[in-house]
Order: sequence, then C-alpha cells, then structure tokens
Amino acid sequence: QQQVKQSPQSLIVQKGGISIINCAYENTAFDYFPWYQQFPGKGPALLIAIRPDVSEKKEGRFTISFNKSAKQFSLHIMDSQPGDSATYFCAASRSNAGNMLTFGGGTRLMVKP
Amino acid sequence: GAGVSQSPSNKVTEKGKDVELRCDPISGHTALYWYRQRLGQGLEFLIYFQGNSAPDKSGLPSDRFSAERTGESVSTLTIQRTQQEDSAVYLCASSLVAGVYGYTFGSGTRLTVV
Repeated sequence: QQQVKQSPQSLIVQKGGISIINCAYENTAFDYFPWYQQFPGKGPALLIAIRPDVSEKKEGRFTISFNKSAKQFSLHIMDSQPGDSATYFCAASRSNAGNMLTFGGGTRLMVKP
Repeated sequence: GAGVSQSPSNKVTEKGKDVELRCDPISGHTALYWYRQRLGQGLEFLIYFQGNSAPDKSGLPSDRFSAERTGESVSTLTIQRTQQEDSAVYLCASSLVAGVYGYTFGSGTRLTVV
C-alpha cells in the first residue's frame, strides 16, 4: 500500500519560474512531513519540513503548504534555478513509531536556463 | 565523523553470493535506518535501530536480509544468496533522536547482482 503519493513524476520549469510538487497521504497518524532533495550519486538531503500544526512554512525560496483536512502537502520552489535540478521526495512519519519515513515516489525536476 | 559514511560505494556480485554493506553513522546519533532505493523509485524502509532497543525489522523483504548494529555505532546489512532483484542503492541514515531533527543520509552503496 502506497501511503504517500507524489506528483508529478517529472517536471520541467524555466529558470525563474515556480516549481510545484504535490503529495497526498493516507495515514492521519502522520505528524512530520519533510521534503528531501537528491542529486545523482548522493543520498537525499533534508530540505525543509513541517508539522501539521501550521499550514505553511517558508525557508528562502522553498515553501511547504500543508492542508490537513485534505491530507495534502506541497513544495513550492520560487525563482527556480538550474542548480535546483534534482529529484525531490516528500515523506511522512509518525513520531511515536520510531519516525520511520514513508517516502513518495519522487519528482525529477529540471530547470532550464 | 562529519557525515554518515557507507562502504563500499559500489558492489558488483554474482547471483547467489552473500554481501555485507557497512554504515558508520554520525557520532552520537542514536537512531540508524536502512532504506533501499531501486532505480528511478522512492525509498523503501528496511530496518531501524534505536539505541539498545530491539530493532524494527518490519521492512526487511525476506529472511535473506539481516542487519546488526554494535551499540550506537557501526551497522552492517547482510544479504544472503543475492538475487538480481536485490540490485539497488542501499541507503543508511542516522538521527540524533528518533527522527526529531530529521535524518542525515549517507551516499549509499550501489549493489549490482549479475
């Protein structure tokens, strides 16, 4: 059972544009929602994370929007740059269950110069 | 160390052979996780260690897979009688306390079974 569904699988954005990646989850017990960025040959790196007591979190050009009632969250990358080209994974976990992360399938982002 | 270290970075093995993958977590991190990433796919949870507690092995796909951790240090993931479907990148991650501050991943071991 895929508990975290991520879309789109791939995304092409022009430099300076906004990249939007969406995730939906099923388990209402999830209480931690991170996004990871992965470059080829590297492990995923934590980008930004949110807990369900807030609806939005912004760090620089990266913003998470969270809709608890819809069980959806999204990553917005403002002013996208070629250096943002990577694979992005959303994830979710329960802090009272060892916080094992359940990952979405990933989105391969390409930002064209 | 400064980051999570995994070795080897690449491993090619023949079908039916056993392999051992190693993970050195960040010093002081009590939680350690193993994940598998098949080509072009997301990460699948395999096993989780927290301090001296019994590990959570719920993600191990078969009894050919096992893992050990010595205290709060090195962990080894062993795959016995490897199959071609075991080909993947095996990622290790550690965190200070079970996930409170997010994971730090290593660069992974790319396993190819031929």
